[in-house]
Amino acid sequence: KQEVTQIPAALSVPEGENLVLNCSFTDSAIYNLQWFRQDPGKGLTSLLLIQSSQREQTSGRLNASLDKSSGRSTLYIAASQPGDSATYLCAVRSTSGTYKYIFGTGTRLKVLA
Amino acid sequence: DAGVIQSPRHEVTEMGQEVTLRCKPISGHNSLFWYRQTMMRGLELLIYFNNNVPIDDSGMPEDRFSAKMPNASFSTLKIQPSEPRDSAVYFCASSLTGGGNQPQHFGDGTRLSIL
Repeated sequence: KQEVTQIPAALSVPEGENLVLNCSFTDSAIYNLQWFRQDPGKGLTSLLLIQSSQREQTSGRLNASLDKSSGRSTLYIAASQPGDSATYLCAVRSTSGTYKYIFGTGTRLKVLA
Repeated sequence: DAGVIQSPRHEVTEMGQEVTLRCKPISGHNSLFWYRQTMMRGLELLIYFNNNVPIDDSGMPEDRFSAKMPNASFSTLKIQPSEPRDSAVYFCASSLTGGGNQPQHFGDGTRLSIL
């Protein structure tokens, strides 16, 4: 059974710092991995989707990497801004159930001005 | 383009009452998902529809929960009778297809409180 873990649960950093959020999963047979952002009282916004054949994806100041063999993904945020404050969730779609995502519990990020 | 639209945004009702949550997926998307989010259990998939047909309802917690998708532009999640432990945020999401590498697009959710 696939399990997804995100550490740390919460993170507070000063503005301008580069930071890394971690996601680990127990079953390396994944179809893809998606990183989401969730603002308070809002739904999830898809940030990056990495296919199983890819090593990384980039969008603006965000870079997500995937290492299937070790069961890990990282989300790198460059030059953090207060507007980046949100909860970040990773979700894994396993090859056995290609429509179903298993979500981590998220990392709550606060960027201080 | 309009995203996934959910209503109501907030619902407060008493235990035992029937609750109906509504979702309008993005036009052209043929897959729809209902999720429940709680502090204890995080985000859990309740049910998945593809082309209006329920494909997997294994996440529906009890017979008190039911979901329908009468057409491509509308879905409901019903709880009858409701209980305090059903209090959570319920999300609807849609994607272009169920499989493949299409991202899921989420609505803003319905925050449900059962007193």
